[in-house]
This record gives sequence, C-alpha cells and structure tokens, in this order.
Amino acid sequence: KQEVTQIPAALSVPEGENLVLNCSFTDSAIYNLQWFRQDPGKGLTSLLLIQSSQREQTSGRLNASLDKSSGRSTLYIAASQPGDSATYLCAAGGTSYGKLTFGQGTILTVHP
Amino acid sequence: GAGVSQSPRYKVAKRGQDVALRCDPISGHVSLFWYQQALGQGPEFLTYFQNEAQLDKSGLPSDRFFAERPEGSVSTLKIQRTQQEDSAVYLCASSLTEVTDTQYFGPGTRLTVL
Repeated sequence: KQEVTQIPAALSVPEGENLVLNCSFTDSAIYNLQWFRQDPGKGLTSLLLIQSSQREQTSGRLNASLDKSSGRSTLYIAASQPGDSATYLCAAGGTSYGKLTFGQGTILTVHP
Repeated sequence: GAGVSQSPRYKVAKRGQDVALRCDPISGHVSLFWYQQALGQGPEFLTYFQNEAQLDKSGLPSDRFFAERPEGSVSTLKIQRTQQEDSAVYLCASSLTEVTDTQYFGPGTRLTVL
C-alpha cells in the first residue's frame, strides 16, 4: 500500500525567502506526482503535475522535482509572499485513471 | 465555465440518519472522484467513476457508503446510518479524460455527525 509523507508538517518563513517542501512515497511504481494547495475551508487547487517519465515541472515561482528511484519529490517556492500561505499537499498517482494517495500536508505561513 | 460544485456545503446529521451529498463536475469531464478528508489529514480516496461506470470503490470504508453517477455527470455520495467517525469533509474532483490528468476539486461538504 502506498504511503506518502510530507516534511515538515509546518513551516513559518519571512516574506522573500526561498523554501523547499519535501514529499516521500514508499512505492515507486507511480504514474505521476502532483502538488496541490489548499486554503482554509476550500477545496484543493492543482499546482503542478509531474508525469512518471519527467524529472521536474515549473510554473512561475514554483518548481517541483521528482526522483522515482528514491521515492522523493520536492516543491521549491521562490521569493515567498504572504499570499503563498496555505496547506501544500503532495499526492502520488497510482493508477492509469488518476487515483491519488495524499500526504498529510505542510502548513506554510509566510509573514510580512 | 464554472468549476466543480458541491452541495450542501455543510451538513449536520444525528447519528443513525442517512445523508446524501451532491457533486456537479465540470461539464464534459469523464472522470469523477470522491475523497474523504478528516481534520488535519490529507484526503483519502473513496471511489472513482468513468462516465457512469463505477470502476473503483476500493476506498469506501463500509457498505453504509454508496455512490452513483447514473447519467455520467452529477454524482451523489450516500451514507446510511451515519456514525460519528463519518464526520469529515467530503471532496469531489473531476478530470477531463480517463487517463492521468489534472483533477479539479470542489469546495467540499463538511459533514458533522452528532
């Protein structure tokens, strides 16, 4: 059974810092790895999707990498802003149709 | 161009009551997923539909949980004889195709069982 772990559980940084969120998964036979953002009381917003054949994806200030062999993914956020404050979730896609196994999330607070 | 919508947003039920949660996916999306998110946890997979066919229900925690998508669009998750451990946020997501694709999530239904 796939297990996904995120470290750290919570992170507080001053505005402008670059930061890295970590995600590890136990079963390397994944179809993809996705990163989501969740704001309080709201659903999830997809940030980046890395297919199993890819090593990284970039969108604006976000960069996600994937190392299947070691069961790890990282989300890099450059020049953090208070608006980046949210819970960040990574999820491993274990089937061809997209069934996701989520980590517990990292709560990020960026203070001015 | 609306996103995924869910209703009700909040539901309070007495233990033993039946509840029905509705999901309206993005129009034309083939795939529909239900997830359960307990407080402070990541979402957990419940079930998957490809059009009207329920292809994976491996995550449903008991036979009190039932989901349907009869016409391949709107889906309903029904929980019979609710119990306190059913209290959670129920999230619905849809994606355009039947293969790995970006999932678009609704705002969820927060169920509280007293």
